[in-house]
Amino acid sequence: EPEVTQTPSHQVTQMGQEVILRCVPISNHLYFYWYRQILGQKVEFLVSFYNNEISEKSEIFDDQFSVERPDGSNFTLKIRSTKLEDSAMYFCASSGERQVDYEQYFGPGTRLTVT
Amino acid sequence: RKEVEQDPGPFNVPEGATVAFNCTYSNSASQSFFWYRQDCRKEPKLLMSVYSSGNEDGRFTAQLNRASQYISLLIRDSKLSDSATYLCVVTPGGYNKLIFGAGTRLAVHP
Repeated sequence: EPEVTQTPSHQVTQMGQEVILRCVPISNHLYFYWYRQILGQKVEFLVSFYNNEISEKSEIFDDQFSVERPDGSNFTLKIRSTKLEDSAMYFCASSGERQVDYEQYFGPGTRLTVT
Repeated sequence: RKEVEQDPGPFNVPEGATVAFNCTYSNSASQSFFWYRQDCRKEPKLLMSVYSSGNEDGRFTAQLNRASQYISLLIRDSKLSDSATYLCVVTPGGYNKLIFGAGTRLAVHP
C-alpha cells in the first residue's frame, strides 16, 4: 500500500538554526500539505501546495517558513531561524488527483526539538 | 467558538462495549467530514469519511447531520486495539485544508 514517508524521524536543533524537513508524498498525488502538532495540542494546518505553488497557508506559516518541491518526488518544509516554540511534530500529508478528493494521508512525522 | 468541538474524554470502556463519540463544527459551509484515529505520538490515520447518508465500515458507523452541524462515530464490540484518540476533522467550504478537533481519547480495557 502506498504511503507517505518523512525524514528525519527526529531532529534536534539549536535556536536560530535552519532546518529542512523532508517528505515523499504518495506517488500519484498532486496536493501536498504540512501540519504540525505541539505536544498535547491538536493538529494544526500550516500550508497546502499544488501545481508548484502554495494554495493556502495559515497564520502560523510566516516568513520563517517555506516549502519547495525540488524534484518530482520530494516535498520539503524549511524553517529559516528556529524558535523554541517551533518544537512540535511536523506531519506531511498528500491527497489524490481530483480536486474534490479530500482524503489526506499522513506521513509518520518528524519530531522537531529546538533547544 | 471552536471550529471543531469534541467530547474531551477519556472514555474508559470494557472490551465488547459500544461507544459513541460526538462532534460539532461551527462553519455551516464545511464540505467534507472525516474521522481519523491517532495513536500516542503517531500520525493521524484516516478511519473513515463521513457522508450525508451515513456510512458504516465493519464495527464503525458514522453519521452526519448538516442541519445541526453534528457528526458522530459509533464503535460496536470494542477491541483492545481500538484504544486511541479519535479526531473529528472537517474541511471548510471550497478549501481542502483539514481542521482538526482536539480529539477524544478511548481506552478499552479487558
